[in-house]
Amino acid sequence: IAGITQAPTSQILAAGRRMTLRCTQDMRHNAMYWYRQDLGLGLRLIHYSNTAGTTGKGEVPDGYSVSRANTDDFPLTLASAVPSQTSVYFCASSDSQGLGGYTFGSGTRLTVV
Amino acid sequence: AQSVTQPDIHITVSEGASLELRCNYSYGATPYLFWYVQSPGQGLQLLLKYFSGDTLVQGIKGFEAEFKRSQSSFNLRKPSVHWSDAAEYFCAVARFSGGYNKLIFGAGTRLAVHP
Repeated sequence: IAGITQAPTSQILAAGRRMTLRCTQDMRHNAMYWYRQDLGLGLRLIHYSNTAGTTGKGEVPDGYSVSRANTDDFPLTLASAVPSQTSVYFCASSDSQGLGGYTFGSGTRLTVV
Repeated sequence: AQSVTQPDIHITVSEGASLELRCNYSYGATPYLFWYVQSPGQGLQLLLKYFSGDTLVQGIKGFEAEFKRSQSSFNLRKPSVHWSDAAEYFCAVARFSGGYNKLIFGAGTRLAVHP
């Protein structure tokens, strides 16, 4: 089934630890995105990639990094996790213009303690 | 800056009743607008979108939305709600930057449906 796979589905992480959230798509979409979802704030864009080899910062990039070595994969790394990064993280992808709508993964629930 | 406001955090309706979820946007040009639905524990699914033309757009699951430029609104409607419509609903506007579009989401409206 075409779509986005995120892993892990949930994780409890000690503060200060490094963590990589994985995201893989099989739709050959050029653009990919990472959002975090927090109660009352909706979804906020962390980082994005318009094409393989390029990345950009969204609304809330601090404490996060991404890479886009190929079309399919777009991992999100927390170098040193802090409790404020407790959230649900969604990866999404779209065609280049994004106007066809985004396809979202099922999310990763991360708790930093 | 572009933004999206969903004034209602929670809405409760009875099954079979009509539904309207409000969305207001702030954007200087003709906006590209979207409604997404998120079922518990799931990712977001596109319900419908508006780019131009007919201001009343039809989506999946019996939803429709009307674009009103004079009110800067894009409200989502359904004539008769089903229990399975209980979910969180997000309105979004596309922000054009650097040759690409990025979606800016509202805070969401959580819909509860009473039997």
